[in-house]
Amino acid sequence: DAGVIQSPRHEVTEMGQEVTLRCKPISGHDYLFWYRQTMMRGLELLIYFNNNVPIDDSGMPEDRFSAKMPNASFSTLKIQPSEPRDSAVYFCASSRTGLKSSYNSPLHFGNGTRLTVT
Amino acid sequence: DAKTTQPPSMDCAEGRAANLPCNHSTISGNEYVYWYRQIHSQGPQYIIHGLKNNETNEMASLIITEDRKSSTLILPHATLRDTAVYYCIGIDKLIFGTGTRLQVFP
Repeated sequence: DAGVIQSPRHEVTEMGQEVTLRCKPISGHDYLFWYRQTMMRGLELLIYFNNNVPIDDSGMPEDRFSAKMPNASFSTLKIQPSEPRDSAVYFCASSRTGLKSSYNSPLHFGNGTRLTVT
Repeated sequence: DAKTTQPPSMDCAEGRAANLPCNHSTISGNEYVYWYRQIHSQGPQYIIHGLKNNETNEMASLIITEDRKSSTLILPHATLRDTAVYYCIGIDKLIFGTGTRLQVFP
């Protein structure tokens, strides 16, 4: 099991440019989560998917952010246009089950993409 | 939402037990408590979870109070590699707080 794979590992871009972050979840996991981590705000849940369908995007900061999951093995988080305040580490995680009372399946995180917007 | 409260930092001598507390007084009756840790520059790593009973695995033990308002993660023999930020979360909204930064010293 290769775990959750994120790419790129680092991304440096200029303000106004489009940024696309990629994630490959663990095979067989039905849930996929995108988190953002900054020193000021810690780990924030941005959006999560169940069976490729977005379930809750209330954490997405604004319309510049969008996420897609075209199939069970791939998801993207896009920022367009990017701003310096978007600089953060973005984590993707997957799990076999989701946010239910009987939930007992942990999240498996990737190693993140460190985004720097200058 | 179930919120958790943890001390911001703790120290522990290598080889000693590290006991990390967490208050989760608003947790619902059927909501699991999960513990993760994050070593610098890596993604959070699952450690253990529980509902009512105490739990133990190869990494740690989890003690949950009978009223389920608090829990303690125990690393029985801390090593330098256990230095990390430890998060206790309720599974309702998967909200990670600021966690406890554990420093294990020689």
